[in-house]
Amino acid sequence: DIQMTQSPFSLSASVGDRVTITCRASQSIRSYLNWYQQKPGKAPELLIYTASSLQGEVPSRFSGSGSGTDFTLTISSLQPEDFATYYCQQSYSTPLTFGGGTRVEIK
Amino acid sequence: QVQLQESGPGLVKPSQTLSLTCTVSGGSISSDNYYWSWIRQPAGKGLEWIGRIYTSGNTNYNPSLKSRVTISVDTSKSQFSLKLSSVTAADTAVYYCARGFGVVTVDYWGQGTLVTVSS
Repeated sequence: DIQMTQSPFSLSASVGDRVTITCRASQSIRSYLNWYQQKPGKAPELLIYTASSLQGEVPSRFSGSGSGTDFTLTISSLQPEDFATYYCQQSYSTPLTFGGGTRVEIK
Repeated sequence: QVQLQESGPGLVKPSQTLSLTCTVSGGSISSDNYYWSWIRQPAGKGLEWIGRIYTSGNTNYNPSLKSRVTISVDTSKSQFSLKLSSVTAADTAVYYCARGFGVVTVDYWGQGTLVTVSS
């Protein structure tokens, strides 16, 4: 199985801050990396697919980058609605696996 | 807008079989472009992929659960289902059904349903 490791486990930030979350795969997954946002009590929502493609109407303050084993999710200017838990997930091979999540909290 | 809705018992006894159904509306479950997945999340923990099914009937399962999992699809009812046998307390989780395509594992999620394994 491909292991996905996210860091940090959690972070505290203020509205307007630039936030970066990293995700590392245990082997190369090319660009087959998706990012999801989950708010308490809700299902996750797709933010970014294939490492850098923004889903639907996701705000442009979200961006993704990386390939191979190292990936990054960046929120350029944190908004109140962005406080949530973020998960990376590889779709390179089955079993499909998720990172452990990064919780973004209000400072 | 595609919608997915999980249904099934919220309480299952240990050693029994957990059975859930996902009803798809607002889009065709028969499209060859998509596959249909089950994902679970224990309280306060991360996400675990259980498996997926294509409308052709082809399936992929997580090896950690493979011996206990069956996913099936009924296109006439726009539903797909999960069966997980010999459950224990470790199978207590919110279970999500989901739609995916290509390398986008999930573009639409159900709201999730909590299944508790307890006597």
